[in-house]
This record gives sequence, structure tokens and C-alpha cells, in this order.
Amino acid sequence: QVTLKESSPVLVKPTETLTLTCIVSGFSLRNGRMGVGWIRQPPGKALECLAHIFSNDEKSYSTSLKSRLTISEDTSKSQVVLTMTNMDPVDTGTYYCAQVRELGAANWFDPWGQGTLVIVSS
Amino acid sequence: SYELIQPPSVSVSPGQTASITCSGDKLRDKFASWYQQKPGQSPVLVIYRDDKRPSGIPERFSGSNSGNTATLTISGTQPMDEADYYCQAWDTSTAVFGGGTKLTVL
Repeated sequence: QVTLKESSPVLVKPTETLTLTCIVSGFSLRNGRMGVGWIRQPPGKALECLAHIFSNDEKSYSTSLKSRLTISEDTSKSQVVLTMTNMDPVDTGTYYCAQVRELGAANWFDPWGQGTLVIVSS
Repeated sequence: SYELIQPPSVSVSPGQTASITCSGDKLRDKFASWYQQKPGQSPVLVIYRDDKRPSGIPERFSGSNSGNTATLTISGTQPMDEADYYCQAWDTSTAVFGGGTKLTVL
């Protein structure tokens, strides 16, 4: 059974850097086209994909946030790490990690982690 | 940047059919997925690759994608289907979500 779990909720100050960890189990980041994505959701708002990474180290970032994001993987620890610089109160929300599944040219997110709350406040 | 447009809300009576649309430029050339999110919970995949249903998802959920519009259809809608629904597609290796549709069953 594939599961993903995000690191604990966090409170960060404006301008600080956010670091989130996603621990995966039930699949190996070393094998084939396994991917993990980070998606966030501000309170009461829609989902927004931030970044994703595949086991061949292929990475992709949100166009609007690319300059602030870095995604990486530690296959030995079965972890995917997302860093986001220069945090602002508008970045407050729930951050999810999810497995990226692939079939031909189609990709989708399944399953999702439980999410972790990030609050940006001074 | 690529956009997916969904109606903010859809209402349906129990037992009736609910249709939620998702519009995007040449969406038919991409593959659409749909997610259900209930309050306080993580999203759950209900349709992938336009019309495929994951195991464990009831048969009343179906999907289609034609032209510029993908559609999620829930036949015989049940009160437990009340939730927010998001469509999603990929554009130039980036995942894009629609703005979400609140489905009310009343």
C-alpha cells in the first residue's frame, strides 16, 4: 500500500524559507517512472501544483513560483523535500504531497498525503 | 499560462444526475483527471485519463473529454457525494487544476 506523509505543521515568519518533507512508503523512488508532487491549498481556495519530481531526477515547477521553489529527493530515506524561499502570508495554507502516476501520456496524483498546515505570520 | 475553468457550484437532487464541466483550450489533446475533496480531508482521485475509474470508486462516477471540455458525471447522486470537485490536466510538464466546483446535494 502506497502512503505519503508530510512533515509536521509549521509556523514561519515572512521572508523566511519553508522546508517540507514528504516521506513515502510502499514504492521506491529509485524504480521506474515514480514521481512525487507538491500541491498547496490556501484556506477556502483551489488546489495549486507547486512542483513534482520523477525518479530519473526530472523536475518541474509552477511557472509563477519557479524562482522560489526547489524540489529534491533522498532515495535512501524515501523522502522528497520541497523548499520555498521568501515566504509571505499569502503562502499560508495546507500543503500536500502526492504520488504522480503515469500511463502513456497521462499523469495524475494518487494517493495524497494527509496534508500539513503552513502558517506565515510574524 | 494554461487555465481550466469550472463552474463554482452545481446543485442536484438526490438520485439525479450531476454534471460538472471543466473547460480549457484544446483540453481534448490532454488527459483530464478529477478529484473529490470533502471538508477537512485530502483530495481523492475519482477519474483519471479522462474516463478511467480507480478501484474503490463507485460506478456512478464517470468522465468524458471532448473538444475543449471535460465532464464529470455522477449518476444517481447520493448525499455522500456532496463535496468540492477539481479537474486537473497537464500542460508543458506542469500540472494545472481548475478552480473547483462545490457540488450540493439537496
